[in-house]
Amino acid sequence: KNQVEQSPQSLIILEGKNCTLQCNYTVSPFSNLRWYKQDTGRGPVSLTIMTFSENTKSNGRYTATLDADTKQSSLHITASQLSDSASYICVVSPPSLTTDSWGKLQFGAGTQVVVTP
Amino acid sequence: NAGVMQNPRHLVRRRGQEARLRCSPMKGHSHVYWYRQLPEEGLKFMVYLQKENIIDESGMPKERFSAEFPKEGPSILRIQQVVRGDSAAYFCASSPPGAETQYFGPGTRLLVL
Repeated sequence: KNQVEQSPQSLIILEGKNCTLQCNYTVSPFSNLRWYKQDTGRGPVSLTIMTFSENTKSNGRYTATLDADTKQSSLHITASQLSDSASYICVVSPPSLTTDSWGKLQFGAGTQVVVTP
Repeated sequence: NAGVMQNPRHLVRRRGQEARLRCSPMKGHSHVYWYRQLPEEGLKFMVYLQKENIIDESGMPKERFSAEFPKEGPSILRIQQVVRGDSAAYFCASSPPGAETQYFGPGTRLLVL
């Protein structure tokens, strides 16, 4: 069973509207949680990174929240634009990402967002 | 500063052939990571390399797969005797020493016929 579950699997949203993506994880303990944006045919690009002690982190119209008690994170997109159409991936890191722990990074399957005009 | 470069972007191989995927990290980055992304699935870590050293290959299949990052030139992910199940997108990422943020390349999409 994947230790990082994302929902919804996909969503369609009208341009200008807001949306929220969810990430539930069972990785414990963990050191940080990242959200990536992956455009079709491109590599992932980092949006936000939060340590376990942070509750929120913003990057422009993207705001990520983290509740370490319930092991949930969300990514909120404000005033969506057509360029926001992409897959959004949640990634959880184990504590102390050392040289031999990269294999323990846990990736969600992503939420596919389609913004329509 | 050019980003992480991967080539080829698309690669078609028949079963039993070899696939070689190349990754040139960003300038100044000495750490390279390879990931595989199967259709409808999340990225899976394969291997972490520094110049001339394999640091963590815990995500790489024991057989048919190998990776190197020579002193000069790009990092190479090599898949011998490919099978249909190897069809996937292979992403390379790089980072400078001591940094956790990785910068991803555009990926190589491998199709095994």
